[in-house]
Amino acid sequence: DIQMTQSPSFLSATVGDRVTINCKASQNINKYLNWYQQKLGEAPKRLIYNTNSLQTGIPSRFSGSGSGTDYTLTISSLQPEDVATYFCLQHNSGPGTFGGGTKLELK
Amino acid sequence: EVQLVESGGGLVQPGRSLKLSCAASGFTFSNYYMAWVRQAPKKGLEWVATISTSGSRTYYPDSVKGRFTISRDNAKSSLYLQMNSLKSEDTATYYCARDRGPDYWGQGVMVTVSS
Repeated sequence: DIQMTQSPSFLSATVGDRVTINCKASQNINKYLNWYQQKLGEAPKRLIYNTNSLQTGIPSRFSGSGSGTDYTLTISSLQPEDVATYFCLQHNSGPGTFGGGTKLELK
Repeated sequence: EVQLVESGGGLVQPGRSLKLSCAASGFTFSNYYMAWVRQAPKKGLEWVATISTSGSRTYYPDSVKGRFTISRDNAKSSLYLQMNSLKSEDTATYYCARDRGPDYWGQGVMVTVSS
């Protein structure tokens, strides 16, 4: 199965900061990479699908990029409501595999 | 409105079995792959199983292969997860999710494996 390495595992930032989270796949996943946000006690919410497509209803400060094995989620200007844990997911082949998660907190 | 509602969770002893159900509504169930994803307490997300639209193809990670079986009933718009030979490490919230890169998720059902 494909392994996903997500970094950093913890991130502390200030409102207005530009924030980036990275995921590296163990092999080419052909841009089949999604990003999810999970707030405490809630189910995950899809933010970005297939690397760079913004899910309907998600603010445009969220964006995704990447190709091959390396992918990035960017929050252009951090807002208080963005405090959450973020996960990447590859769905290129076999059962999906998630990154380990990034817990984002306000400084 | 798309809705996924899981049921069937609870406390079960190690080695026993449990079957989860997911009732889907608000979309044409038979048109979508479906999946189960779990999350152990205070841990990350783990893919558990995928099933194709007709049910003819299924995918499992090694951690559950041979113990868990995903199935579906398109006439009832329902998804199932039969879990056998349960272990303490199967303790988690189990989510029903639509599609292979899930866009919709249920609220989850808790499964606790403990003696």
